[in-house]
Amino acid sequence: QSALTQPASVSGSPGQSITISCTGTSSDVGSYNLVSWYQQYPGKGPKLMIYEGTKRPSGVSNRLSGSKSGNTASLTISGLQAEDEADYYCCSYAGSSTYVFGTGTKVTVL
Amino acid sequence: EVQLVESGGGLVQSGGSLRLSCAASGFTFNRHWMSWVRQAPGKGLEWVANIRLDGKEKYYVDSVKGRFAISRDNAKNSVSLQMNSLRAEDTAVYYCARHDDSGTFMFENWGQGTLVTVSS
Repeated sequence: QSALTQPASVSGSPGQSITISCTGTSSDVGSYNLVSWYQQYPGKGPKLMIYEGTKRPSGVSNRLSGSKSGNTASLTISGLQAEDEADYYCCSYAGSSTYVFGTGTKVTVL
Repeated sequence: EVQLVESGGGLVQSGGSLRLSCAASGFTFNRHWMSWVRQAPGKGLEWVANIRLDGKEKYYVDSVKGRFAISRDNAKNSVSLQMNSLRAEDTAVYYCARHDDSGTFMFENWGQGTLVTVSS
């Protein structure tokens, strides 16, 4: 049950696109199309942004998109906006009704 | 509107116990798995435990097995986390999270969290 690996920080200018990677193993990310992504502002609870790797809940901007290749999932934010500045966490189902989160990525809008 | 409100956090000495509660409203509680997720100060999220719709299946992260116990009361729309033999490394904000009801594996809604501080 080791945490998934994410870059500690990613930055971009307004309007640019950024991608956050989330690397796991063949026991979690690689085995299931069940990666979700969460956005968290300081002092707040997380918010679901992507589920099942690529799907967006109602109300989430279509500037966010998810993908997966092998043991690595990715979250891309296009047309970066000031409101996107937050922490982002990936999470994968790991079998036997257990879950593992990523180490988290701080997104900075320059 | 879905609401999850955690309570019961506080300061406790190492080796002590604490019981967290999460009051749920705005949805049909017994149709959703529920989880507890924690976040140590300045650190990332960690899934802690979850419980099936009827409370008959419970799962835990290895680091809390044998010390923590999750339970639910569907009549009162609440889920609890009994934490025993607490350690300094259990210090964290504990979030209550609702899984969706359609079989997908994600945390659809979260509470605001309750802070647990374990002093050594």
